[in-house]
Amino acid sequence: AQSVTQPDIHITVSEGASLELRCNYSYGATPYLFWYVQSPGQGLQLLLKYFSGDTLVQGIKGFEAEFKRSQSSFNLRKPSVHWSDAAEYFCAVGSPSGGYNKLIFGAGTRLAVHP
Amino acid sequence: DTAVSQTPKYLVTQMGNDKSIKCEQNLGHDTMYWYKQDSKKFLKIMFSYNNKELIINETVPNRFSPKSPDKAHLNLHINSLELGDSAVYFCASSQDYGTGGNTIYFGEGSWLTVV
Repeated sequence: AQSVTQPDIHITVSEGASLELRCNYSYGATPYLFWYVQSPGQGLQLLLKYFSGDTLVQGIKGFEAEFKRSQSSFNLRKPSVHWSDAAEYFCAVGSPSGGYNKLIFGAGTRLAVHP
Repeated sequence: DTAVSQTPKYLVTQMGNDKSIKCEQNLGHDTMYWYKQDSKKFLKIMFSYNNKELIINETVPNRFSPKSPDKAHLNLHINSLELGDSAVYFCASSQDYGTGGNTIYFGEGSWLTVV
């Protein structure tokens, strides 16, 4: 069965510092991978997605993610964090049992940003 | 215009009551979903409908009954509410089902508290 692991429950960075949020997935074939962000009291917003092609994916708000098949990883990065980036970040994989549109989510990483 | 809208956003109700959450999408999508986010922020799919037809039904108590009057609406009715039903319920939609890699758009969530 597919699964997603986000090893870091909580990360704190200083504003302006770089950021990397880790995501590992378990899936035999090429996965459909997503990163969503949830601001406090808000819904989920798609940051970026990977289906095929270039393994470095650019998203909104200056985020990017790199798909590494050999490591079964899809880590999210941002070169310089802004205070408004404080939120919960979810990595997800599309399950083929649901036409790839059934998302299996990781447990999330809460990002705090120090001024 | 909000792409996926849910009502109500907040709902506090007593155990044993029956309640409904409504969802509408104006994106012209064929597929809609209900996800549940528990108190630990864990997100899990509950149901999915494609063009009014149920296609995903996870292991959910039969007290939960989705209804899709048309492909733009997917409502969630919950009977005999229990304390453990307290959660955030997210409605979502995607262009279609089965082609894989669709972006799934989420609503802002409905915060249900059972007391």
